[in-house]
Amino acid sequence: AQRVTQPEKLLSVFKGAPVELKCNYSYSGSPELFWYVQYSRQRLQLLLRHISRESIKGFTADLNKGETSFHLKKPFAQEEDSAMYYCALSARGDYKLSFGAGTTVTVRA
Amino acid sequence: SAVISQKPSRDICQRGTSLTIQCQVDSQVTMMFWYRQQPGQSLTLIATANQGSEATYESGFVIDKFPISRPNLTFSTLTVSNMSPEDSSIYLCSVVGDFNEQFFGPGTRLTVL
Repeated sequence: AQRVTQPEKLLSVFKGAPVELKCNYSYSGSPELFWYVQYSRQRLQLLLRHISRESIKGFTADLNKGETSFHLKKPFAQEEDSAMYYCALSARGDYKLSFGAGTTVTVRA
Repeated sequence: SAVISQKPSRDICQRGTSLTIQCQVDSQVTMMFWYRQQPGQSLTLIATANQGSEATYESGFVIDKFPISRPNLTFSTLTVSNMSPEDSSIYLCSVVGDFNEQFFGPGTRLTVL
């Protein structure tokens, strides 16, 4: 069975401060990890995935297999980063996603 | 990127009735899924909508309750049958695009009274 845990339901940071959203997973095979974001009144969209190893909107996430984590980080949060963030996992080669509970991020001026 | 539309965007229904949700994609896609997001909870996969064959359901979901059609590579429907208040959720379809990126529809917000 695969499981994704996002321990923080709510996260509030000041503009310009670093932000880190935690994600831990359990899966016996080779996982693919993703971060999805949902801005207010918009649909869910992919933010980044571990296989791309890219930075999107200043966000990065590193897959740590030893700690089974895929934390999302941004060094300087912006107000437009306020959104709901979901960590998700799929088996490699399979597109079915298991989602974490989500973290609501609020960036205050 | 794939553009997905869903109809209806929201509905309020009486218990015991059924509602069919449509998902339309602007390009042909092989993989299409239906998810449910109950109030205050995360997304849960209901089933994979297979073109030309029966949908593949996840544990806890059955065809009698959530019949799915997939007549072609751009369209699918999900029916929520014999509804109860516990079926009040947002229902989303998703597709896998050309670069294996998964795109989501805007969702259908269902309230069952």
